[in-house]
Amino acid sequence: SQELEQSPQSLIVQEGKNLTINCTSSKTLYGLYWYKQKYGEGLIFLMMLQKGGEEKSHEKITAKLDEKKQQSSLHITASQPSHAGIYLCGADPPNQAGTALIFGKGTTLSVSS
Amino acid sequence: GAGVSQSPRYKVAKRGQDVALRCDPISGHVSLFWYQQALGQGPEFLTYFQNEAQLDKSGLPSDRFFAERPEGSVSTLKIQRTQQEDSAVYLCASSQNRAGGTEAFFGQGTRLTVV
Repeated sequence: SQELEQSPQSLIVQEGKNLTINCTSSKTLYGLYWYKQKYGEGLIFLMMLQKGGEEKSHEKITAKLDEKKQQSSLHITASQPSHAGIYLCGADPPNQAGTALIFGKGTTLSVSS
Repeated sequence: GAGVSQSPRYKVAKRGQDVALRCDPISGHVSLFWYQQALGQGPEFLTYFQNEAQLDKSGLPSDRFFAERPEGSVSTLKIQRTQQEDSAVYLCASSQNRAGGTEAFFGQGTRLTVV
């Protein structure tokens, strides 16, 4: 079965600093999704990547999928307190696009002002 | 509605009690998913509906867990004879059509605490 490993598990950064969160898959990724979760709340969709080498940006957040489609990174530029939360990567199971996602355990981000 | 709505937001149950968790998906969304999220973990798949058909229930941890979506809209997740290990956040998600990687929209979850 496919597993997603996220690193780091938790991260504390000073406001204004850049940071990167990684998501590594044990198998080739056919669809990779990034979500943000506030503690005790639902998931907010951030971005979806499907093609090797793909990169997407929204405001100060950039997500990339490597050429081999086994690793994705989420980069936040000039972090703000509003970026704090749990970042989860999710993936379509191999050969099963259209069913439930597999998730990593999440990266907890704290931003100190 | 504007988003996926789950109720109740919080539920405390005594061990052995039955509970029912409700999910109102976004109107018109065909696919509906239930996930269980333990503290410090990512969401784990429980079951999946396409309209009223339950296409996959392989993630349900035991026969105490039962889900239905009789009219292809609202769904209920029922847990019978709750145990302490059932304590978790239960998330519901819906999507127009998951094929092709359309993103799923999540509700805020129901936090279940079994005491």
